[in-house]
Amino acid sequence: DQQVKQNSPSLSVQEGRISILNCDYTNSMFDYFLWYKKYPAEGPTFLISISSIKDKNEDGRFTVFLNKSAKHLSLHIVPSQPGDSAVYFCAASLYNFNKFYFGSGTKLNVKP
Amino acid sequence: EPEVTQTPSHQVTQMGQEVILRCVPISNHLYFYWYRQILGQKVEFLVSFYNNEISEKSEIFDDQFSVERPDGSNFTLKIRSTKLEDSAMYFCASRETSTGEKLFFGSGTQLSVL
Repeated sequence: DQQVKQNSPSLSVQEGRISILNCDYTNSMFDYFLWYKKYPAEGPTFLISISSIKDKNEDGRFTVFLNKSAKHLSLHIVPSQPGDSAVYFCAASLYNFNKFYFGSGTKLNVKP
Repeated sequence: EPEVTQTPSHQVTQMGQEVILRCVPISNHLYFYWYRQILGQKVEFLVSFYNNEISEKSEIFDDQFSVERPDGSNFTLKIRSTKLEDSAMYFCASRETSTGEKLFFGSGTQLSVL
């Protein structure tokens, strides 16, 4: 059931630089895509989402890009801060939201 | 800020015992979910629930699992006879309306089956 994949288990970035986290999916019927941030021993926290009818959504330092033809989305964090260090999950859902499919996560380390 | 509350934060049980994990979703949310994460692995869907019915369930959610909304505020996950492989962090989540894609998660219950 690997419909959402995050192929990079970890990413290390210098503070102030851009972090780019990637996610691929296989189901072209997905309607919504979301990014979650997770600290150890806490639940995932919603970060940003994008509808399949858009190709970009921006919220402060966070921008999500969607490339439907490539079935690929990415999360850009600019500028990266040490507090951004966490595991980032991408997720996708069909129109009915009965189930959200999660990727395996990318651990981001932002070095001061 | 409203949040999803889960109790207990840690639960230790013996194999074969029944456990009930409790969740209080955000008050105006109507859609409820259980997910779990085995240490170091992906977040796995278990079940979604709306209007006192299961909307969808995964292969993991077999006859040993059940969910219930016993009153207007609680949402519970019961595992009737726990197995070693049920050891995981269990997350409850809720969603506001039929058009809201944002899923809000609780902080989880760490279940350890010995």
